[in-house]
Amino acid sequence: EVQLLESGGGLEQPGGSLRLSCAASGFTFSNYGMSWVRQAPGKGLEWLSAISGSGGSTYYPDSVRGRFTISRDNSKNTLYLQMKSLRAEDTAIYYCAKDQDDLVGGFDLWGRGTLVTVSS
Amino acid sequence: DIQMTQSPSTLSASVGDRVTITCRASQSISTWLAWYQQKPGTAPKLLIYKASSLESGVPSRFSGSGSGSDFTLTISSLQPDDLASYYCQQYNFYPWTFGQGTKVEIK
Repeated sequence: EVQLLESGGGLEQPGGSLRLSCAASGFTFSNYGMSWVRQAPGKGLEWLSAISGSGGSTYYPDSVRGRFTISRDNSKNTLYLQMKSLRAEDTAIYYCAKDQDDLVGGFDLWGRGTLVTVSS
Repeated sequence: DIQMTQSPSTLSASVGDRVTITCRASQSISTWLAWYQQKPGTAPKLLIYKASSLESGVPSRFSGSGSGSDFTLTISSLQPDDLASYYCQQYNFYPWTFGQGTKVEIK
């Protein structure tokens, strides 16, 4: 079955760190770029980062550059998002999403999401 | 960054109505635009890519059009299952950006 499954969310204190994982199955993982997208409670979608199929290219918006790091392990078919210096405004559902091609957007497969709550 | 502006923010329509949502980019993005549907409590789902290409399995009542800066998503005959929020996204330039969303309600 073609699917993405996120894990690693939870409650973290401000200033803390978390690493999210996204396990992929049912497709040739290394052929596709991948992204992380988040959605704060009651808000819209925010793209966070993208990584090429090889892992050699990564992209971020200014809002998270330097705090968030995207990576992947193609041998494990797994995508990661390392988050540090967490803030209350990072509270959101975090989705991983598959590009239609390598770094061609239009996310044709999404995970169910993992909830990150940043609070003391 | 490219700003994506959707209108309206909310719309209420009857079953069978033709519904149009617009998305405007702050600069030209060619046809590098996607539309997503998000039902309450679920992940987004790709409807349209490359501005007008229908994703496999998506009902034909959904269509997309436009190029450059102005785009539309049309539902030709609104169905109860279309109750959802709809988002546009540009993927021509980094950072990729989403519109703020349009919530579709059924009268």
